[in-house]
Amino acid sequence: GENVEQHPSTLSVQEGDSAVIKCTYSDSASNYFPWYKQELGKRPQLIIDIRSNVGEKKDQRIAVTLNKTAKHFSLHITETQPEDSAVYFCAANQGNQGGKLIFGQGTELSVKP
Amino acid sequence: ETGVTQSPTHLIKTRGQQVTLRCSSQSGHNTVSWYQQALGQGPQFIFQYYREEENGRGNFPPRFSGLQFPNYSSELNVNALELDDSALYLCASSTQGGDGYTFGSGTRLTVV
Repeated sequence: GENVEQHPSTLSVQEGDSAVIKCTYSDSASNYFPWYKQELGKRPQLIIDIRSNVGEKKDQRIAVTLNKTAKHFSLHITETQPEDSAVYFCAANQGNQGGKLIFGQGTELSVKP
Repeated sequence: ETGVTQSPTHLIKTRGQQVTLRCSSQSGHNTVSWYQQALGQGPQFIFQYYREEENGRGNFPPRFSGLQFPNYSSELNVNALELDDSALYLCASSTQGGDGYTFGSGTRLTVV
């Protein structure tokens, strides 16, 4: 079935450094790729998303890149801050179904002051 | 708040029992998707409801069932609870095309 692989599972950086999380997907029909931040005990919160007609999208310190040919997409966080510490999930929609998301396994990001 | 509300927030059930979880969708949304998130894992798609009918299902057994009501709110029912059903259950509402996808706060189910 459809699959999303996410790496690394844990990532520790110093405050001010950059963090990069990478995902690959298997469904060539996927056209929507959101990223979620989940703090302990809370709901996943959408932080940025990208659609297949765009190769890169940026929102302040956060950017996402998409390579449809290679079926991979990445999250880039610059100038990390301690409050960026959380679990981050990538996801891809299944085929053209807008409401079914396949999630990666998550990356636990720790930003050390 | 996001406008997607789930109830109850926490629940403890005994193995073999049945449970019903509820989700109200955000205004303007007509689609509700349910996910199971085990500890330390990403959310797993259970099923989606659109226009009161199941519209896609993940790899979950038939004892996981659902409903959607005319006001677009939804229920998730799980029969014959097993210990492995212990998880955070999340619902998300959106338009049918997936716009505005928003998660509720979840229901933490513990099966003992």
